[in-house]
Amino acid sequence: GNSVTQMEGPVTLSEEAFLTINCTYTATGYPSLFWYVQYPGEGLQLLLKATKADDKGSNKGFEATYRKETTSFHLEKGSVQVSDSAVYFCALKDGDYKLSFGAGTTVTVRA
Amino acid sequence: DTGVSQNPRHKITKRGQNVTFRCDPISEHNRLYWYRQTLGQGPEFLTYFQNEAQLEKSRLLSDRFSAERPKGSFSTLEIQRTEQGDSAMYLCASSSTSVEQFFGPGTRLTVL
Repeated sequence: GNSVTQMEGPVTLSEEAFLTINCTYTATGYPSLFWYVQYPGEGLQLLLKATKADDKGSNKGFEATYRKETTSFHLEKGSVQVSDSAVYFCALKDGDYKLSFGAGTTVTVRA
Repeated sequence: DTGVSQNPRHKITKRGQNVTFRCDPISEHNRLYWYRQTLGQGPEFLTYFQNEAQLEKSRLLSDRFSAERPKGSFSTLEIQRTEQGDSAMYLCASSSTSVEQFFGPGTRLTVL
């Protein structure tokens, strides 16, 4: 079946530090890949997506590249801010509708 | 606000009681999804509607759970004879395409 494994947290960083959250997946087909973010007290929001191999998704300074050869979709940001403190979820959709999520990584950025 | 809305936001109930949650999707989104999220985990798929038709139910959705989407607009999720293990955040999402799902804020259920 489909599954997503992402880096365990929590992750604590200082402002302007580099952030990487690893995500690998297992899927039977050719999934679309997503990063969702959940800010404190809010619902899940789509951060970025990639629908085919070698696509790069980007938004708000975050990037992730769909790597079929390593079945990975690592999230990166070059310089984090306090406002980036949130829980980040990697997810895949293989087929028409069902999202499979990783367990989430809590990121705290200190001023 | 034109996002997905869910009511109530919080529900505390005693074991054995029935509860019902409501989800109002983004208008004109024909696809609606329910997920469940327990503490420290990512959301898990429960069920999916296209218009008023329920097209898939996860094995997580026991016989005590029922979801409806009359007229293809809002949806309700009912849990009968609640158990402590049902305590979780119940998330609703909607979409108009097969790619991006928009999530509501969730209903947090606590079963005492």
